[in-house]
Formats: sequence, C-alpha cells, structure tokens
Amino acid sequence: KAGVTQTPRYLIKTRGQQVTLSCSPISGHRSVSWYQQTPGQGLQFLFEYFSETQRNKGNFPGRFSGRQFSNSRSEMNVSTLELGDSALYLCASSFQGLGETQYFGPGTRLLVL
Amino acid sequence: AQKITQTQPGMFVQEKEAVTLDCTYDTSDPSYGLFWYKQPSSGEMIFLIYQGSYDQQNATEGRYSLNFQKARKSANLVISASQLGDSAMYFCAMREGEAGNMLTFGGGTRLMVKP
Repeated sequence: KAGVTQTPRYLIKTRGQQVTLSCSPISGHRSVSWYQQTPGQGLQFLFEYFSETQRNKGNFPGRFSGRQFSNSRSEMNVSTLELGDSALYLCASSFQGLGETQYFGPGTRLLVL
Repeated sequence: AQKITQTQPGMFVQEKEAVTLDCTYDTSDPSYGLFWYKQPSSGEMIFLIYQGSYDQQNATEGRYSLNFQKARKSANLVISASQLGDSAMYFCAMREGEAGNMLTFGGGTRLMVKP
C-alpha cells in the first residue's frame, strides 16, 4: 500500500503571499490531520478532517484553513504568509480518526522570506 | 503544564547496546493512547509503537518496547540492540479521549548511535 504523499516537498514564498499544500492519505483512510513543526514551538496540531468535515481544530489563526475532498485528499491553505509560518508541515492519515494510529507523510518544508 | 515531557534533549548510545528514552504525560482522561514516532533527518515521522491506557501488557514491536507505568504516568521507549540507523529524533505523543485524532507531542529526544 502506498504511504501518505504530500506535495510539494519544498516551497519558498514571500511575506504576504498565500500557499496551498496537498496531502493524499493512505488508500482507505478517511481521516487526515495536519501538524506544524518549528524549532521553537515543536509539533503542533493544526486541524483534522473526516468525511470532508473539519472535526478538530488547533490553536492557530484563521489564516490557516483546510478542506477535504470526497476522495479523502486534503489541502491546507495559509493566507497572508508571515515569517513565522516557516515550518515543516506534516500530514497524517488514519482509517476513521477514532484514536487509531496515524501515519505521516514526508512533509512539506515551507520557507517564508 | 506540559502534557508530554521528554526530559532528554539528546542521548548517545553505543551500537548494539540498549537505550531507554523517557516520556512522562499528564492527563485526567481515563482513556488515552500513547505513541512513539521516529523522525530521521529527512523529516518523515515513522510510527514505532502504541500503548493504550487500558492495555494490561506493555507493548512490544520488534526491537522496540514500551515500559508503561500508569501510576507514574510514564511511557518510556526501550530500543534493544541499537543500530546506526536508529540515530534520529524520537517523539512521544498522546491522544486523549476515544474520538478524534489530535496528538500532543513532547519536545523530542535526539538519539545518536556511536559505532
């Protein structure tokens, strides 16, 4: 079975721009979660989607948003980028999002200049 | 208060020796799950092992075992017979409750295996 895939793997943007990251979960998995990893704040939960609905949301500003499509693929969007948004963005999938193991993708490294 | 605490920022271990990575947690929910992930320099988080709060026995997965002490709220990862490829960051994470998938992570431990 193919693992979680994320595109693009690397991205460079400038302040004020917006960015969209994509995540394709493991086949059959319906829950997709997003995490941000920075040296200062560590790994932080952004949000979780299940059946095209946001089920949980972390403590991030409204500039961070996401969506999930009917095939369970998910996108996250960051608008009006700030320097502090530079991070590794990790996507994880699980079967139903009922506490079972989440499997992570390789991440997207975003650099904001 | 920190929900997941990993007190060892960095550790060295000799190849072929065993090593224990510490993790303590804090929750008032009777139902929770504890996970360990490995993150090599490439960035991908690799699932290693899981322990549920109601599990009676300590989890084991190959060379990985989890020393779960519920009363002390600790879930230490034991890696036996360390290999050079074990050099990486290791994260302990907790999921609280029975629904939803939000994981809270510790700050991580960087393990370096010496040849």
